[in-house]
Amino acid sequence: GAVVSQHPSRVICKSGTSVKIECRSLDFQATTMFWYRQFPKKSLMLMATSNEGSKATYEQGVEKDKFLINHASLTLSTLTVTSAHPEDSSFYICSARGPGGLALYEQYFGPGTRLTVT
Amino acid sequence: DAKTTQPPSMDCAEGRAANLPCNHSTISGNEYVYWYRQIHSQGPQYIIHGLKNNETNEMASLIITEDRKSSTLILPHATLRDTAVYYCIVKGSQGNLIFGKGTKLSVKP
Repeated sequence: GAVVSQHPSRVICKSGTSVKIECRSLDFQATTMFWYRQFPKKSLMLMATSNEGSKATYEQGVEKDKFLINHASLTLSTLTVTSAHPEDSSFYICSARGPGGLALYEQYFGPGTRLTVT
Repeated sequence: DAKTTQPPSMDCAEGRAANLPCNHSTISGNEYVYWYRQIHSQGPQYIIHGLKNNETNEMASLIITEDRKSSTLILPHATLRDTAVYYCIVKGSQGNLIFGKGTKLSVKP
């Protein structure tokens, strides 16, 4: 199946700093990428959806100025957590979907990035 | 909100079949049922999906009731590595994956 990578896998940063997380589709062109957040023992929550070359669509309650998403190419999307605070500590997971249609199985997930803000 | 309901947890003995139920009583005619699983601290992994007919692949079988209001994921011979949270998902209207709480399956020796 298609492979999606994330970098870094783990990051620790100090409160007030910004952190960038990269999501790459390694062997297919991802026209749409999704960013999820998962708190301990909770389910995945969709944060935003981005289409290549367009502005991201954020879910209700997600601050677009705090979570900056860039999807500048068909294989790369980045999520920047600006002015991070301890409550932003979470597991961030990206997902990518190719141009083959809206079939759900075509959505592939990355391994996740564990962010810890001290 | 998720359009499915699943039991929060289940246990299964190693080597036995694990049957994970899911209710999706509001599913519409053109929506598929998908199953993903998430092993601790990893991204979700696709398992199987179906519309009306039962489906089988190398990982699992999916049994969908005739009225499509519920389904069961079957892992025929569960191993310790199948311990994970299993998510039953019905495709959202805008094509986004909406995760519920899932079922935490514990496979025990």
